[in-house]
Order: sequence, then C-alpha cells, then structure tokens
Amino acid sequence: TQLLEQSPQFLSIQEGENLTVYCNSSSVFSSLQWYRQEPGEGPVLLVTVVTGGEVKKLKRLTFQFGDARKDSSLHITAAQPGDTGLYLCAGARRAGNMLTFGGGTRLMVKP
Amino acid sequence: NAGVTQTPKFRILKIGQSMTLQCTQDMNHNYMYWYRQDPGMGLKLIYYSVGAGITDKGEVPNGYNVSRSTTEDFPLRLELAAPSQTSVYFCASSYSRGLGTEAFFGQGTRLTVV
Repeated sequence: TQLLEQSPQFLSIQEGENLTVYCNSSSVFSSLQWYRQEPGEGPVLLVTVVTGGEVKKLKRLTFQFGDARKDSSLHITAAQPGDTGLYLCAGARRAGNMLTFGGGTRLMVKP
Repeated sequence: NAGVTQTPKFRILKIGQSMTLQCTQDMNHNYMYWYRQDPGMGLKLIYYSVGAGITDKGEVPNGYNVSRSTTEDFPLRLELAAPSQTSVYFCASSYSRGLGTEAFFGQGTRLTVV
C-alpha cells in the first residue's frame, strides 16, 4: 500500500479535453509536489504547494493542495499532445524531509 | 549546467554479477537519493543520504549498498544481481529547505538482469 495513492492510474483523452488527476493520503504532508516524467527521462518538478487550500496555476495546469494537507489535485484545461507523460505526486512529511512518491498517473493525449 | 549525472545509461548483467551505478551532482546539495522505477510504476526509495558520511535505508534496500564519501558522489552497489533488480534506477539530489524539498533527477540507468 502506497502512502500516496494516485488516480486514475491511466488516462487516455482527446486533444482539447479537460482532465483532473488526484493524489490522496491518510497522512498529513508539510508540502506536496507534482512532477512530470517523459519517456527515457527523469521526473521534472512542475510545482510545490505548502499551504492547505493553496491553488497554483502554471499555464493550463491548476494545482490544489487540500485544506487538511492530505490530498492534492492537478487539473489540465484543453489538454494537448505535449502534455502526454507520467505525472507523479510526491510529499514531504516534515519540512526538508525526503520525498515519498505516489504510483503515478500515465496520461496520453491523442491529437 | 550538469545537475545530476548518472552512468551508465544502460547495462545488462548476468545473475550473480555485481556492478556500481555512479551518481554525481554539482549543485552542492546535501541530500541525495536512489530510487528504482519498475515499468509503469512510481518511484520507490532504495537508500538516501543527508550528507557526506551518512546514509540510511529507504523502502526497498535489500540487495543494494551505498556510500557517501563526498558531497558530490553517491554510488549504488549491487553485489549479487537478481532478475528482480531489473528496473530503471534514478539518482536525485535536493537542498534541505524550510518548506518544500525540490528534487533534481538524473536521466536514469536502465538495468536488465538476465
């Protein structure tokens, strides 16, 4: 059982559609991050959220940290083929502590 | 900017062989990590280090060893390779902060044990 559960595990959508992926836990995290990983590469940080209820936007991507700091969501508006990849959430239980990763959501956006 | 560099990128080992995966970072980060990623899965922590001379086990340490003699280098050793160790291995580093711990990853080492 993973400390961070991501859903869905796989998502295949058409270009232009909207989607939301979720990262849930029964534990509280001091911070939570979202990474994107492309084939053959290491994960690359997209965003860090540290305050309960915090919302951050990165172009068409909207990230939210739950009020209780146990969950997070990533919403993509008008998905594009370039958004295809593995999206990983990662949490730190204490400030400056090591990260625990979720199992990932594999997204495919078809043109 | 080199960042985190891993070598080799690919390797095939026979069962029972040993090898060392190299990892070096030039960002003066005190934290370093080794993860493995099985096909279609997330990352599992093998070992980590909070500074030179200090290492500790992660979720899946069995079959691996590490050392941290310098801030820059964090090699991962497989002593007796087994098919279950076929995976992609990622080294990462981070700088301890008050809030948030951004990890920078290498490009990975794809290891196959046959």
